[in-house]
Amino acid sequence: RKEVEQDPGPFNVPEGATVAFNCTYSNSASQSFFWYRQDCRKEPKLLMSVYSSGNEDGRFTAQLNRASQYISLLIRDSKLSDSATYLCVVIHNTGNQFYFGTGTSLTVIP
Amino acid sequence: DAGVIQSPRHEVTEMGQEVTLRCKPISGHDYLFWYRQTMMRGLELLIYFNNNVPIDDSGMPEDRFSAKMPNASFSTLKIQPSEPRDSAVYFCASTPTVRDRGIAEAFFGQGTRLTVV
Repeated sequence: RKEVEQDPGPFNVPEGATVAFNCTYSNSASQSFFWYRQDCRKEPKLLMSVYSSGNEDGRFTAQLNRASQYISLLIRDSKLSDSATYLCVVIHNTGNQFYFGTGTSLTVIP
Repeated sequence: DAGVIQSPRHEVTEMGQEVTLRCKPISGHDYLFWYRQTMMRGLELLIYFNNNVPIDDSGMPEDRFSAKMPNASFSTLKIQPSEPRDSAVYFCASTPTVRDRGIAEAFFGQGTRLTVV
């Protein structure tokens, strides 16, 4: 079983829409959680961390559900510039390995 | 700091040839990761180092792949002999040590796009 699983999409949404991505992880010892963003033909970059209590950064909200072992990313009022691939990442408490999901592709349509 | 630097950015080689990818991590980062990204399999961890020592190479697909980190500022990933199925984007990333819930962002290089024909 993969460490991290994501729905690959693609998600095609109109500007202004709200879209949510989920990601499940297999190891209950996972310690830290992140969402990364990858633009076409570019390297992944950190979008935001995911805290147990949930956290928000502008139009982006990340949540963690340890009982069900999933994390989510909600994007409100989608912009054209949000078009990218979103990767969820987990780190175990036994090391420093970053386990990446395969990514969810988002296209925001005018 | 200029960030993680990878070279070359693009590499086209013939099947059977040796390929060497290079990475310079961010100064002060004690973890270095090599990833391979394809459309089919996404971002796969190949190997990672801590303080120049390989910690986990279970992701290395086969003996044709090898990686070294002779010092804190340089790492190589070598494929020999290369095969068409090795065609992918290879990323190097570095991070400082993760502590508790502290944010330890993985900084990626721009990647090497490898095509084996």
